[in-house]
Amino acid sequence: DTEVTQTPKHLVMGMTNKKSLKCEQHMGHRAMYWYKQKAKKPPELMFVYSYEKLSINESVPSRFSPECPNSSLLNLHLHALQPEDSALYLCASSQGLRGREQYFGPGTRLTVT
Amino acid sequence: GDSVTQMEGPVTLSEEAFLTINCTYTATGYPSLFWYVQYPGEGLQLLLKATKADDKGSNKGFEATYRKETTSFHLEKGSVQVSDSAVYFCALSGLIMIYNQGGKLIFGQGTELSVKP
Repeated sequence: DTEVTQTPKHLVMGMTNKKSLKCEQHMGHRAMYWYKQKAKKPPELMFVYSYEKLSINESVPSRFSPECPNSSLLNLHLHALQPEDSALYLCASSQGLRGREQYFGPGTRLTVT
Repeated sequence: GDSVTQMEGPVTLSEEAFLTINCTYTATGYPSLFWYVQYPGEGLQLLLKATKADDKGSNKGFEATYRKETTSFHLEKGSVQVSDSAVYFCALSGLIMIYNQGGKLIFGQGTELSVKP
């Protein structure tokens, strides 16, 4: 099974709201990722978790706050977002070792009004 | 730094035509190479991979060969179908930044393929 699940599928939020995106994998992968993707562009890496510890933060604004409660779950907490943050947010996971492929979830389509 | 260059799209083909999407890379060392496909409204799916020189990845009729001498990983399919219409991304695994677990994927810009009946 190479499935990564994400909820919700769609999210509309105002600029003053607080919401969370959720990601889950049951492949035993120890690395998990958050990406942001604009239409027809490649995904942009936001965060990397390795063994439940944040290992890479690609200078993402603090209005995005990641959390890794356990090895299977990854959350992205959203607060005070801007309209330009509207995008597809993708979660991915990998076995971990260098050069290993990443498996992506279906994404959450976020619209900030 | 590491980078991936893909042929620009959009590419429009008729059903049963031959497909080539060019991909070249620049990297330190010996990266793994991947092709991902993204259908409209969906996430990225791993299409195929190659982890060392001269490896050929294949899946669903698509093929790509890791050519170290030309630093290329071109995607090919002998006969495309309407259902192959999607955006295709070439990618390589970048250097590990901090820990020895999990690497950065470096993506090309993507090539949009449209197949007409």
